[in-house]
Amino acid sequence: EVQLVESGGGLVKPGGSLRLSCAASGFSVSNYAMTWVRQPPGKGLEWVSSISSGGSYMYYADSVKVRFTISRDNAKNSLSLQMNSLRAEDTAVYYCAREDPGYSSGWFFWGQGALVTVSS
Amino acid sequence: QSVLTQPPSASGTPGQRVTISCSGSSSNIGSNYGYWYQHLPGTAPKLLIYANNDRPSGVPDRFSGSKSGTSASLAISGLRSEDEAVYYCAAWDDSLNGWVFGGGTKLTVL
Repeated sequence: EVQLVESGGGLVKPGGSLRLSCAASGFSVSNYAMTWVRQPPGKGLEWVSSISSGGSYMYYADSVKVRFTISRDNAKNSLSLQMNSLRAEDTAVYYCAREDPGYSSGWFFWGQGALVTVSS
Repeated sequence: QSVLTQPPSASGTPGQRVTISCSGSSSNIGSNYGYWYQHLPGTAPKLLIYANNDRPSGVPDRFSGSKSGTSASLAISGLRSEDEAVYYCAAWDDSLNGWVFGGGTKLTVL
């Protein structure tokens, strides 16, 4: 059974850093493109970052470029999002998702989400 | 402002058919697949439609998608109370080199 479980969320001050992890089971993260999507409170879904299946390509939304880094640890079978220079507008529930070639890269499997709150 | 434009709200009575539109451009929906996600509060989003008009296994055939030019649409027939949710369209954008979402449409079943 495919499962994705996010961890690492919490309260952080503006300008601070946080690292989100997404532990995968039931499949190898090394074989799939993976994505982070967030939802700020009271707002819609926003794509944050994706990493290609081979790990050679990383893509970022303009709003997080330079500040966030996506990576994966094949040994731990997990995905990470290193978030630096955090701002109030980064406050959101962060979801990790797996791109499915069988669904033309649609995100069929999602984690339950991790809340990140940026506040002084 | 979202790159893809959706109406903020839609409504219908049980049994009715409702359509939600998603307007994009040549760099996203016009040249790439459109996707639709259903999102209920406190849960993970659910893939409803992929590749413009295909349904993943387990999604009822009451849900259907279409695409014409730079716009996509989601139709829900035989509306049910459990369809109350926020619906998002999404597509890859070649100019932005990333995924883009619509702002979401809150569907109310009256």
